[in-house]
Amino acid sequence: EAGVAQSPRYKIIEKRQSVAFWCNPISGHATLYWYQQILGQGPKLLIQFQNNGVVDDSQLPKDRFSAERLKGVDSTLKIQPAKLEDSAVYLCASSFRLAIIDTQYFGPGTRLTVL
Amino acid sequence: QQQVKQSPQSLIVQKGGISIINCAYENTAFDYFPWYQQFPGKGPALLIAIRPDVSEKKEGRFTISFNKSAKQFSLHIMDSQPGDSATYFCAASTGANFGNEKLTFGTGTRLTIIP
Repeated sequence: EAGVAQSPRYKIIEKRQSVAFWCNPISGHATLYWYQQILGQGPKLLIQFQNNGVVDDSQLPKDRFSAERLKGVDSTLKIQPAKLEDSAVYLCASSFRLAIIDTQYFGPGTRLTVL
Repeated sequence: QQQVKQSPQSLIVQKGGISIINCAYENTAFDYFPWYQQFPGKGPALLIAIRPDVSEKKEGRFTISFNKSAKQFSLHIMDSQPGDSATYFCAASTGANFGNEKLTFGTGTRLTIIP
């Protein structure tokens, strides 16, 4: 079974530029998560989708971050404009059901450096 | 209080020894406590999880001990091996019985097993 795919793996941009990350979850997984992992910290949930609907985006900085999951499969996370403090690894995860006890499978992440 | 406090920040254990990582929480409504293992350049992977209705759960060399009254839980790795060298995150959530909530992660413990 293929895992969660993410691209790009690395991205370096200057502050105020825009960037987009892509995620392809495990086939058949209805729930998709985007996490931000700052160096030395645990992952922090940014947004959660159930199929193509948003379940929780309470921790998403909506003035600069946006995400979509068209057709309930792939998802894109965008930052516009980026700030220095956005430097982090952005992790995508998926699970079969909308249930916290369902295993979340993480992708390898995209490491973003904002200069 | 949604915070989960994890210690130590880093840990060095000799091969064959026991590795112990501790976490503490404040929110008594938490009812799901997973541990994740993360290797460099990879996303976190679920290792083992426990619900508060039991005080211990064992899977192979990995054991979670749970102390509800003290609001603490710990991961024990028996017969630690160099392949166990990774960063370990504890996490906690509510909603295990009735659906979806977000995971709150600890800050991580970098474990190094030396020969």
